[in-house]
Amino acid sequence: SQQGEEDPQALSIQEGENATMNCSYKTSINNLQWYRQNSGRGLVHLILIRSNEREKHSGRLRVTLDTSKKSSSLLITASRAADTASYFCATAGGNTGKLIFGQGTTLQVKP
Amino acid sequence: KAGVTQTPRYLIKTRGQQVTLSCSPISGHRSVSWYQQTPGQGLQFLFEYFSETQRNKGNFPGRFSGRQFSNSRSEMNVSTLELGDSALYLCASSLAPSGGIGEKLFFGSGTQLSVL
Repeated sequence: SQQGEEDPQALSIQEGENATMNCSYKTSINNLQWYRQNSGRGLVHLILIRSNEREKHSGRLRVTLDTSKKSSSLLITASRAADTASYFCATAGGNTGKLIFGQGTTLQVKP
Repeated sequence: KAGVTQTPRYLIKTRGQQVTLSCSPISGHRSVSWYQQTPGQGLQFLFEYFSETQRNKGNFPGRFSGRQFSNSRSEMNVSTLELGDSALYLCASSLAPSGGIGEKLFFGSGTQLSVL
């Protein structure tokens, strides 16, 4: 079963707007990662946040983690058409030793 | 540095056949993970290999198997193909096993398998 569940499933915005995607998970984690996938291609790592961190920034990306609510959010500021892709959260926790992906959020940025 | 290479890129098979997919990790990476991606089920973990040993396995039937060679290259095999095996199969490599310590994965472009 999937560890992470993402919300919304799909998001459509205009270029220049901000996009926020949320991820909820079920069990304790060591870290949470976000990946991007362009249509039919492999995933690309965006950012990793550890369980003892609350917020992390990378360029136009901002990730937050609330371990008490078992949730994370990914904010993309000043979106561009090139940000159009699917975004996945992935969690690693406990002794599972494997990275489990959520169902993903499909983001469309209209020029 | 070359990225993760998966071959072939596309594959068409018929039910009952078997298939072998190949993955060459980034040079120096010793861990290889395999995922199956379908529109209905999303990304499902298949297995992970590290230093030629299977470290983790997902909830897939025994028809799905894999191995890793001494040069870290990995293959996965699916025997007695079913229509439901049609999917994008993604391979990812990392320096160390994924999971606990926060290794990020580097993905290949995948093999799109169609079973007719």
